[in-house]
Amino acid sequence: KAGVTQTPRYLIKTRGQQVTLSCSPISGHRSVSWYQQTPGQGLQFLFEYFSETQRNKGNFPGRFSGRQFSNSRSEMNVSTLELGDSALYLCASSLEAGSNYGYTFGSGTRLTVV
Amino acid sequence: KQEVTQIPAALSVPEGENLVLNCSFTDSAIYNLQWFRQDPGKGLTSLLLIQSSQREQTSGRLNASLDKSSGRSTLYIAASQPGDSATYLCAGISNSNSGYALNFGKGTSLLVTP
Repeated sequence: KAGVTQTPRYLIKTRGQQVTLSCSPISGHRSVSWYQQTPGQGLQFLFEYFSETQRNKGNFPGRFSGRQFSNSRSEMNVSTLELGDSALYLCASSLEAGSNYGYTFGSGTRLTVV
Repeated sequence: KQEVTQIPAALSVPEGENLVLNCSFTDSAIYNLQWFRQDPGKGLTSLLLIQSSQREQTSGRLNASLDKSSGRSTLYIAASQPGDSATYLCAGISNSNSGYALNFGKGTSLLVTP
């Protein structure tokens, strides 16, 4: 059974550009959430989507946005990139929102902003 | 906001030792708690999920307990091996804004020496 797939694995972008990251959850999972991991702040929650609806949002500026498609695949977008956006972005899928089933993470997308 | 603390931040032990990693959280209204391991530069691998109605879970050499009343969880690793070297993260699953999120601790970096 395929796991959570995140693409691309690595990205290098210039300040001011925008970027789109993709996440394909485990087949049958309807909940997708996104996290940012940095050495200083650790893992921080970005958003949660369930059945194409954003159900929860973390404390990040409006430059960070996301969406979920009818097949449960999700994308997140960061506009006007800043150096501080350099991080490992992790996507997690779960069978249902709230999840008595736990979360499964992908390998992440390493974003470097120069 | 749920605050999660992990102690110790780093731990180095010789192979074969039994060890305990600690996790404390500020809000007893968590739903479930999940333990993960993360290898350098990689995503998160789920180890154990403890649902709020449970007190502990076991998988092989790992045992995790949850005491919601005291706001604590512990991960016990028996007969440690060099392959156990990784960062261990605990995360409480909580509800807000009609959605859910994982609130992570900063992790315990474990080194098991041969």
